[in-house]
Amino acid sequence: EDQVTQSPEALRLQEGESSSLNCSYTVSGLRGLFWYRQDPGKGPEFLFTLYSAGEEKEKERLKATLTKKESFLHITAPKPEDSATYLCAVQAGGSYIPTFGRGTSLIVHP
Amino acid sequence: ETGVTQSPTHLIKTRGQQVTLRCSSQSGHNTVSWYQQALGQGPQFIFQYYREEENGRGNFPPRFSGLQFPNYSSELNVNALELDDSALYLCASSSGTSTEETQYFGPGTRLLVL
Repeated sequence: EDQVTQSPEALRLQEGESSSLNCSYTVSGLRGLFWYRQDPGKGPEFLFTLYSAGEEKEKERLKATLTKKESFLHITAPKPEDSATYLCAVQAGGSYIPTFGRGTSLIVHP
Repeated sequence: ETGVTQSPTHLIKTRGQQVTLRCSSQSGHNTVSWYQQALGQGPQFIFQYYREEENGRGNFPPRFSGLQFPNYSSELNVNALELDDSALYLCASSSGTSTEETQYFGPGTRLLVL
C-alpha cells in the first residue's frame, strides 16, 4: 500500500527564516511526486511534479527536490503570503490514483 | 483562479439523504477526478472520469457514484449519507490521464451531514 508521511505537521517561521518541509513516501514504482499549496477554504494549487531521484524544480522562493525515499520543499526567505498548507502526493506505476499526505501547515510571521 | 468551478459551495444534509455535487471543468479538459478531504487530512481519491467513462476508483463504497457529461462537466452523487461523509469535496480537471498532465482543483463543496 502506498504511503505518504509529511513532517512537520505544523511549522511557524519568522519572515526571512528559511526552512524545509519533508515528504517521505513508500510506493511501488514511482510515476510522479506532486507538491500542492492549499489556502484555507480553497482547493489545492499545483506547484511541482518530480519524476525521478535527483530532480529539482524551483518557483520563486520554493525549491523541490527528490530522492528515492523522500522529497523536500525548501522555502527560502519566506514571506507572510507563503502561509498555507503544503500537500505532497505520489502516483505509483500503473495507477491513476494519487495518494496524498496530511500536509504541513506553514505560518510565516511578519 | 483555475477555471474549475463547483456548486454549491456549502451544503447541509441529514443522515440517510442523498446529495449531488457539481463540477465544471476548465475549458479543453476531458478528465475529471473527485476527492474527499476530511478536516486536517489530505484529499482522498474517490474516482476519475475520462471522456465520460469511469477510469479509476479509490476505496469508496458504491453509494458514491459519478457522471461526466459530453461537455465534460461532472457530478458526484452520494446516497444514504452518513455522518462521516462530512468533508470538503474537491474536483480536479486535467487535459488527460497521464502523470504529466497537471490537475487543476476547484474551490470545493463543503458538506455537513447531521
